[in-house]
Amino acid sequence: GENVEQHPSTLSVQEGDSAVIKCTYSDSASNYFPWYKQELGKRPQLIIDIRSNVGEKKDQRIAVTLNKTAKHFSLHITETQPEDSAVYFCAAKLFAGGTSYGKLTFGQGTILTVHP
Amino acid sequence: KAGVTQTPRYLIKTRGQQVTLSCSPISGHRSVSWYQQTPGQGLQFLFEYFSETQRNKGNFPGRFSGRQFSNSRSEMNVSTLELGDSALYLCASSTERNQPQHFGDGTRLSIL
Repeated sequence: GENVEQHPSTLSVQEGDSAVIKCTYSDSASNYFPWYKQELGKRPQLIIDIRSNVGEKKDQRIAVTLNKTAKHFSLHITETQPEDSAVYFCAAKLFAGGTSYGKLTFGQGTILTVHP
Repeated sequence: KAGVTQTPRYLIKTRGQQVTLSCSPISGHRSVSWYQQTPGQGLQFLFEYFSETQRNKGNFPGRFSGRQFSNSRSEMNVSTLELGDSALYLCASSTERNQPQHFGDGTRLSIL
């Protein structure tokens, strides 16, 4: 089955710096890669996602890049703010066909701390 | 539009008991997936339901089961509870199988 590795497990940055979180996946058939942000005691919230027919996607200060050949995708946050502090999870999923319709395979999470 | 609603928010049970958790998806969403979140294992997929049918199942013992009703609401049941079942159980819904999933706040289950 799919396996997703996420690095680093913790990341500490100063406000205004950029943060990058990287994930690799094992199943080349995976074609959908969402990122979730989970604040303490709250639900995971979808912040951005990318499908395998796209190499990069941006939404204000957040961007995701995908390298299908290397089976690797990354989350980039620019101009970080203290409210960006949370746990970030990457995930991979096969969309359409196969039998993994609803199954998201998650990375282990990255605790991001943004210091004022 | 109301989000995914999970009840109850907190549960305390003892070993050997059974428990039923409920999830009401976002209106119009027919796909419901369940995940277990623990500090050690992270987020792990339990199962997914679509139009009252279980479409996929994760690697959990048969003590974990679920179902979905015609209004898309879903329940999961855990029988013969073990200490290791203590976790946050999250439900996520989507409009159909190929759309992004949105999570509820979860049910925090503690086993004594």
